[in-house]
This record gives sequence, structure tokens and C-alpha cells, in this order.
Amino acid sequence: SYVLTQPPSVSVAPGKTVTITCGGNNIGNNNVHWYQQKPGQAPVLVIYYDNNRHSGIPERFSGSKSGNTATLTISRVEAGDEADYYCQVWDGSGHVFGTGTQVTVL
Amino acid sequence: QVQLVQSGAEVKKPGASVRVSCKASGSTFTSYYLHWVRQAPGQGLEWMGVINPGGGSTYAQSFQGRVSMTRDTSTSTVYMELSSLRSEDTAVYYCARGPGDLNPFDHWGQGTLVTVSS
Repeated sequence: SYVLTQPPSVSVAPGKTVTITCGGNNIGNNNVHWYQQKPGQAPVLVIYYDNNRHSGIPERFSGSKSGNTATLTISRVEAGDEADYYCQVWDGSGHVFGTGTQVTVL
Repeated sequence: QVQLVQSGAEVKKPGASVRVSCKASGSTFTSYYLHWVRQAPGQGLEWMGVINPGGGSTYAQSFQGRVSMTRDTSTSTVYMELSSLRSEDTAVYYCARGPGDLNPFDHWGQGTLVTVSS
């Protein structure tokens, strides 16, 4: 089955920029979506189709893709951005989520 | 305002079945795909399957034969039933809406905790 690999955790200071990667074989051929999940809450769509912000998502959030890696970038990080982030693709037979990345704001 | 409201927490014994409901409001119920995603404690998200606007369903291979997704259009409610429960099925189960089968999930229910314990 298709595997999407993310770093388990990243840390960032407030006001700085953090990038979260999502690696998968030939991910360039797939549309990538990103979700934010805060503790005890349901996931929230952040980025869809690689680089489109969902309604209500700040411009600080952006997505990109190159080669076998998709990237979620959060600029000017705030304390409220602390959460788990998941990438997602359709692999031809089902939806697949990445392993998830915990973002800690120092 | 789209809302997906799920049924309450469940405790089941191994071998039993559980049915979780998801009531939709604020959008045309039969125009969207409704997916089910689960999350075991401290773990990531796992897609289980989807029910399409026509009422048909597609299941992830890992749940084939154990899961059934149905809907009641008169109450705008979809149901997910998982059978032959085992302890590894302990998880929060979410329903989520997508405009199309391949589209991202733009609205999610609040989640339903299912605990499987003897």
C-alpha cells in the first residue's frame, strides 16, 4: 500500500518559519491535501490540491510540491499553530494519510 | 453552515458490532460523499471508506468484510457499522464530507469514541 512519510515532530520559535515534509513515491502525480489537528479536536482542512488555502486559513499557511516531496510551510508561527499536521492523497484505490507531524511552538 | 453531528461514545466487548451515526445539516445531503476515518489513541488517521451520493459504498481493503456504510436520506444520516470488534478497533471514529470521491474532506464530525474491552 502507498506510504506517506512525515517527520514525527518539529519545533519552532514564535515568529519563525517551519516546514513540514510529506514524502511518497511519485507524489508529484497525486493531489496533496493538508490537515491540522489540535488535541481533542477533529482535523481541519488547511491546504487542498497542493497549494490552495481552505476558507478561513491564514495566508501564513502555504503548500508546495517538488519531486517526491510535498511541503507545508507555516510562516510567522504563532502559539495557536501548535498541532499535529497530516498530509493526504488519493492513491488510486483509497485515501491515504501521512504519518503525521507534531509541531511544537517553543 | 454545514454540520456533521455524530452519535455518542460506545463501549463494546470483543466480537461485538458497533454502529456509529453521522447526521448532516446545512447542505444537500445527497450531493456529497461522506467518508469515515478513524484514529486510535495516540496514532494517526486511517481512512475506512466512503458512501457516495447514490448510496453506494467503497471500503478500504483492511476493513473489507467487517465494515458497512449505509444512509437514511429521510433523516440525512449516514451510518458506519463495524463488526467482529477487537481491542485494536478502540479509536475515535470521524465522519467527514467531501464534494467528490477524490476531493479533500472539508467538514468533519466531532468524532465518536469506541472502546472495545472485555
